Amino acid sequence: SAVISQKPSRDICQRGTSLTIQCQVDSQVTMMFWYRQQPGQSLTLIATANQGSEATYESGFVIDKFPISRPNLTFSTLTVSNMSPEDSSIYLCSVEFTRETGELFFGEGSRLTVL
Amino acid sequence: GQNIDQPTEMTATEGAIVQINCTYQTSGFNGLFWYQQHAGEAPTFLSYNVLDGLEEKGRFSSFLSRSKGYSYLLLKELQMKDSASYLCAVRVPSGYSTLTFGKGTMLLVSP
Repeated sequence: SAVISQKPSRDICQRGTSLTIQCQVDSQVTMMFWYRQQPGQSLTLIATANQGSEATYESGFVIDKFPISRPNLTFSTLTVSNMSPEDSSIYLCSVEFTRETGELFFGEGSRLTVL
Repeated sequence: GQNIDQPTEMTATEGAIVQINCTYQTSGFNGLFWYQQHAGEAPTFLSYNVLDGLEEKGRFSSFLSRSKGYSYLLLKELQMKDSASYLCAVRVPSGYSTLTFGKGTMLLVSP
């Protein structure tokens, strides 16, 4: 396993603004994943970020709303753009270390509240 | 589409045994995972099944039947610290073999 750090851990944002969440891993990983966990719900995959290529977005999520950067093998950012109260959620960064099992390790999450 | 079902809530007593069921209908299957998530914390990995049968790891065991699209997580000798949400997730072979999660089962362990 490894240490996965996310910043900010929580924030309160105004409608219409954008916020960038950072994810730092203490070892190199090929794939990083961004999940969303809305209140009382389970985890929903937003996109997969592979270093050196464009992120792959899941159905219902678009790059204009959730731009992602992956500049190197230990770091990624997710931006939540033009936020509305519906974007209030926990955003989790995760990585896959064990290719045989595909087990995911998660960061602590970033809890965003949009007013 | 993908569908993963698990009970919303369960309650049990300290020292008891509890079984949390999960059924799935997915477009492909490449492994089933159980995660534990305490309130306000990140999910942590508990178990992984890719073949039919029982995997035991200490107080936790997980069972899989691929033909039935069914799994369960068995927790023995329950402790208060086991109060948490338990997430069932299926790895679907689509592109990057990502995980699809169920909504989770909130387990409350009482004295």
